[in-house]
Amino acid sequence: EAGVTQFPSHSVIEKGQTVTLRCDPISGHDNLYWYRRVMGKEIKFLLHFVKESKQDESGMPNNRFLAERTGGTYSTLKVQPAELEDSGVYFCASSQGTSEKLFFGSGTQLSVL
Amino acid sequence: AQSVTQLDSHVSVSEGTPVLLRCNYSSSYSPSLFWYVQHPNKGLQLLLKYTSAATLVKGINGFEAEFKKSETSFHLTKPSAHMSDAAEYFCVERRRGSYIPTFGRGTSLIVHP
Repeated sequence: EAGVTQFPSHSVIEKGQTVTLRCDPISGHDNLYWYRRVMGKEIKFLLHFVKESKQDESGMPNNRFLAERTGGTYSTLKVQPAELEDSGVYFCASSQGTSEKLFFGSGTQLSVL
Repeated sequence: AQSVTQLDSHVSVSEGTPVLLRCNYSSSYSPSLFWYVQHPNKGLQLLLKYTSAATLVKGINGFEAEFKKSETSFHLTKPSAHMSDAAEYFCVERRRGSYIPTFGRGTSLIVHP
């Protein structure tokens, strides 16, 4: 069974550009989470989808971040325009139903120069 | 506010010696607690979880953790470190009634030959 996959694994962009990160959860997992880790700090929650609906987006830092999950399958996280402080590792995780076990992707390392 | 505290950013041990990674939580009601491990360039992997059953929880790769309500702690231990244990470890809390897991800052475990 395929795990959670994230694409790209690394992205280097200039300040002001747009970047779109993609997450493919495990098939059948309704819950999809985005997290971010800025260097040396804790992994912070960004938002939670249940199927295609945003259940909780309280962790989204500002309106430059837009997450979507069309059809309740894969999800994208777009940053537009990117700023220096957006650099970090973006993790996606999924879980099934009410299960507490999260399955994580390998993350996308975003560097904004 | 940070609800999960990992007291050490780095822990260094020699191969074959015991491992202790410390974690304190802050939830007033018994939360669900987890330890995840991240090896370089890999996604986070669940080591073990506590969900109000037995207070001593055994996980994969010889790790275990003990839930101590009186100390609000959930420290991770292993009797004998192996070189392959070198990784970053995250303590995670999920409060009762919440879908959102909260991460600690992580502890890097360094294992010397």
